[in-house]
Amino acid sequence: DAGVTQSPTHLIKTRGQQVTLRCSPISGHKSVSWYQQVLGQGPQFIFQYYEKEERGRGNFPDRFSARQFPNYSSELNVNALLLGDSALYLCASSWGTGSGYEKLFFGSGTQLSVL
Amino acid sequence: AQRVTQPEKLLSVFKGAPVELKCNYSYSGSPELFWYVQYSRQRLQLLLRHISRESIKGFTADLNKGETSFHLKKPFAQEEDSAMYYCALSGTGANSKLTFGKGITLSVRP
Repeated sequence: DAGVTQSPTHLIKTRGQQVTLRCSPISGHKSVSWYQQVLGQGPQFIFQYYEKEERGRGNFPDRFSARQFPNYSSELNVNALLLGDSALYLCASSWGTGSGYEKLFFGSGTQLSVL
Repeated sequence: AQRVTQPEKLLSVFKGAPVELKCNYSYSGSPELFWYVQYSRQRLQLLLRHISRESIKGFTADLNKGETSFHLKKPFAQEEDSAMYYCALSGTGANSKLTFGKGITLSVRP
């Protein structure tokens, strides 16, 4: 089992551009969560999806959006990129509904640099 | 609001020494607490969670509701324990999402 896979691993964009990050959960996992990790900080919750429905949203602007597909993979979109969006974006999947009580399995992340 | 505080950024100990990684939290209800670990060049992974009452790799953590703490302890550190450790909290219902602390780097010297 390859675990949670994320693509791309690295990405460089300029301010104002749009970016799409992708995540494939572990086979059998139906819940996907997205986290942003800025250098020197812990991961910060962005979104959580279960069975293609949004179950939670963190304190991020509307420039951030996500969706989950029928095969449970997920995309995170960020529009009108700002320098402050530069971070490691982590995807995590879990067996159940994705409640905070569950064990999360993390991907290796996508390192986004905004110039 | 839920908040996790890890007051130290770095802890350096010699092999065989005891380890205590501090974690304090703020949450009005009954939270679930976790410790996640990230070894060099590996993914972030769950080390242990309060609900399981487990001991993983010799580490234990006790929830102290009076002091709102969930410190991670190990009596005898090993070099392979060197890693980044994050304390995390989940609330219930609408607050059922993980809130992480800033993390602490544990360095175990030979």
